[in-house]
Amino acid sequence: AQKITQTQPGMFVQEKEAVTLDCTYDTSDQSYGLFWYKQPSSGEMIFLIYQGSYDEQNATEGRYSLNFQKARKSANLVISASQLGDSAMYFCATPHNYGQNFVFGPGTRLSVLP
Amino acid sequence: NAGVTQTPKFQVLKTGQSMTLQCAQDMNHEYMSWYRQDPGMGLRLIHYSVGAGITDQGEVPNGYNVSRSTTEDFPLRLLSAAPSQTSVYFCASSYTLGQGVYEQYFGPGTRLTVT
Repeated sequence: AQKITQTQPGMFVQEKEAVTLDCTYDTSDQSYGLFWYKQPSSGEMIFLIYQGSYDEQNATEGRYSLNFQKARKSANLVISASQLGDSAMYFCATPHNYGQNFVFGPGTRLSVLP
Repeated sequence: NAGVTQTPKFQVLKTGQSMTLQCAQDMNHEYMSWYRQDPGMGLRLIHYSVGAGITDQGEVPNGYNVSRSTTEDFPLRLLSAAPSQTSVYFCASSYTLGQGVYEQYFGPGTRLTVT
């Protein structure tokens, strides 16, 4: 069964600095994907970025990038030039059951300081 | 497109009451799921459906029923509410990105309190 571990319950970062949120995963699937979601205080789940296990390059989406290290089974989210609006919970997730449903980690609460 | 909609946004129930959380999507997605989110935890899968007429249990199905009579709707029923079901409930529908990879669209959530 798939499992996602996020070992940082909370993180602080100064505005305009970069921050890395950790995610390690455990899966027996040969082909899989890693997703990151943002959940602001308003509660909605916002898709940020995706990395496929066979993608040769790390995924990037604007200020978000994935530091994907397959041998270490880690898919860390890097947020560059942090903004106050980045303060939120961040969840790492991976699909199971042929991709219809996701297994989520416990999340990391990021606080951006002015 | 409205995406994934959920009603109600907030609900308070007494122990033993029953109710139905509504979920609808207008993207013609085959796959739909219900998750619950408890404080300090990520989302956990309650039930899911791979198409109209087909449902299956997830990680935490006890105390909940689902049905899928149409592609659009996927209601979640609480049979006899218990305080342990106090949580935020998310409905999601899945869309394939190809090569066996799916992206999930989430509804805004329903915050349920059982007293």
